[in-house]
Amino acid sequence: EPEVTQTPSHQVTQMGQEVILRCVPISNHLYFYWYRQILGQKVEFLVSFYNNEISEKSEIFDDQFSVERPDGSNFTLKIRSTKLEDSAMYFCASSEAWRKETQYFGPGTRLLVL
Amino acid sequence: SQQGEEDPQALSIQEGENATMNCSYKTSINNLQWYRQNSGRGLVHLILIRSNEREKHSGRLRVTLDTSKKSSSLLITASRAADTASYFCATLPTGANNLFFGTGTRLTVIP
Repeated sequence: EPEVTQTPSHQVTQMGQEVILRCVPISNHLYFYWYRQILGQKVEFLVSFYNNEISEKSEIFDDQFSVERPDGSNFTLKIRSTKLEDSAMYFCASSEAWRKETQYFGPGTRLLVL
Repeated sequence: SQQGEEDPQALSIQEGENATMNCSYKTSINNLQWYRQNSGRGLVHLILIRSNEREKHSGRLRVTLDTSKKSSSLLITASRAADTASYFCATLPTGANNLFFGTGTRLTVIP
């Protein structure tokens, strides 16, 4: 069964460094998402992406964040200058259609900012 | 807030018993999805129920949706130790495309 994959599974970085989290969505899906979950808290929406542009973004997704689909398979989340509070599990998700369909989540990347 | 709230926050049962988890939300929705998360791991999609559906089954899972009460329930029948995980409801509000997750129910199934 097709699944969303994410790399790396864990990343440790120093505050102020840039990180890029990578995702490979399910191949026939057209809509891509990033969510995050701070330890012990709810899963929160960051951004959705379709047709090579951002569709929606939350208040969390400020200028430090960017997303890109650099090729036909990868979907990346970049954090330009990490802060301690960016430490979280970051989930990529994809769906086949807008709004009405299941969003399939990847296994997550655990980011620790020191 | 559009986010759902699960009840109870934690549930501990014996293997073989049924587990019921409830979710309440605040706005009109397009659909509601239930996910499972093993400790520190990814989110596994369990079942999606649309706003015009009232009940849905998948294996040992039964989900109900009452849009008039803005609530949903997830029933796991004949629980197994491997069902131990956190269970989250996530709503897709009308007009939105991002999911709003609840606080989760931590289920422990004792062998």
